[in-house]
Amino acid sequence: SSELTQDPAVSVALGQTVRITCQGDSLRSYYATWYQQKPGQAPVLVIYGKNNRPSGIPDRLSGSSSGNTASLTITGAQAEDEADYYCNSRDSSGNVVFGGGTKLTVV
Amino acid sequence: QLQLQESGPGLVKPSETLSLTCTVSGGSISSSNYYWGWIRQPPGKGLEWIGSIYYSGTIYYNPSLKSRVTISVDTSKNQFSLKLSSVTAADTAVYFCARQGGGDYGDYIYFDYWGQGTLVTVSS
Repeated sequence: SSELTQDPAVSVALGQTVRITCQGDSLRSYYATWYQQKPGQAPVLVIYGKNNRPSGIPDRLSGSSSGNTASLTITGAQAEDEADYYCNSRDSSGNVVFGGGTKLTVV
Repeated sequence: QLQLQESGPGLVKPSETLSLTCTVSGGSISSSNYYWGWIRQPPGKGLEWIGSIYYSGTIYYNPSLKSRVTISVDTSKNQFSLKLSSVTAADTAVYFCARQGGGDYGDYIYFDYWGQGTLVTVSS
């Protein structure tokens, strides 16, 4: 079955750059999509496709991919970036899979 | 602005069937190129895709839940629904409905509009 693996927790100093990664075989064929989720709220789409941001998402968030690993990079992390981040993708059967999520702490 | 709203019982007894409906407003569920999906999140845990449906009836289910899940669509009401049978405490979660889009070449998918989520607790 398709699986996506994320580090459970990552921390970053205010104003610094952090990379959140997502690994899985499906990422060799399909782009990852990234979501930000804050406590008690629904996830928010932040990156999709090669490196596309929906309207309203700051350009300090960016996406990239290499081999079986996709990355979400936050350049100049802000306090409001503290959240859980999830990747997801599809597999060749059309099924959808989510990564386990990464809790980002901004210190 | 597209809006999605989940509705249904917040408490379901073990072995019974969980039933939820998602009402779409501000747009048509019959829009081309969009699927409509259900995702759940157990308390304190990550997101799990349950399944997605196209307005014409094409459906994809999470293989791990497929034997217990039924997703349907009612275009006349602009709604889609989820039924999960034989529930246990492990099915306790916040259930989200969301619109699913994708790349023109099928090279990515995304969920861009989400409902607020509804907590369903399985308990006697």
